Amino acid sequence: DVKVTQSSRYLVKRTGEKVFLECVQDMDHENMFWYRQDPGLGLRLIYFSYDVKMKEKGDIPEGYSVSREKKERFSLILESASTNQTSMYLCASRTQGSSYGYTFGSGTRLTVV
Amino acid sequence: ILNVEQSPQSLHVQEGDSTNFTCSFPSSNFYALHWYRWETAKSPEALFVMTLNGDEKKKGRISATLNTKEGYSYLYIKGSQPEDSATYLCAFGGSNYKLTFGKGTLLTVNP
Repeated sequence: DVKVTQSSRYLVKRTGEKVFLECVQDMDHENMFWYRQDPGLGLRLIYFSYDVKMKEKGDIPEGYSVSREKKERFSLILESASTNQTSMYLCASRTQGSSYGYTFGSGTRLTVV
Repeated sequence: ILNVEQSPQSLHVQEGDSTNFTCSFPSSNFYALHWYRWETAKSPEALFVMTLNGDEKKKGRISATLNTKEGYSYLYIKGSQPEDSATYLCAFGGSNYKLTFGKGTLLTVNP
């Protein structure tokens, strides 16, 4: 089975801290994605990467950056965490091609205090 | 930002009932329509990926249809069971890479 592993299930950080959320997949998928999920707003795309070292902004990239130095790892970086970034963060990956579904990680619930 | 609408927002049914939900999406620049099931405390799980107008997919008691010309998809569950309780998400692929998700339909099946 394809596995997408997110490094932390729960995380509490202070306002202004730099935060790294890590995501690793083990099936050689080209595409990787970061979403956040908030009540009443659904899943919203922050950034995605269609290949190593390639990245594209999603719908809500402000306050975030990403890094994809290796194919299996896609990191989401909160440069200076703020309370409005408290959310559930989901990483996903898939094989290149629109007919393939996503495989999701189990999520990281981040609280910024 | 693309508009992907799901209805109803939530639904309570009795065990054994059949039910269906709707997903509406833009009818232009269509690549794919995905359905996912998201159970509490788990990851979203892919149910179907549909790419052709008129596609019908089935997995056990769950099936889905697709109309790309008018921009809608239906998800059907026949004989709902308590283990079907979850949020059902649809997602529109308007390019070869990313998906835009609807807000989901929360299904609760009472025993």
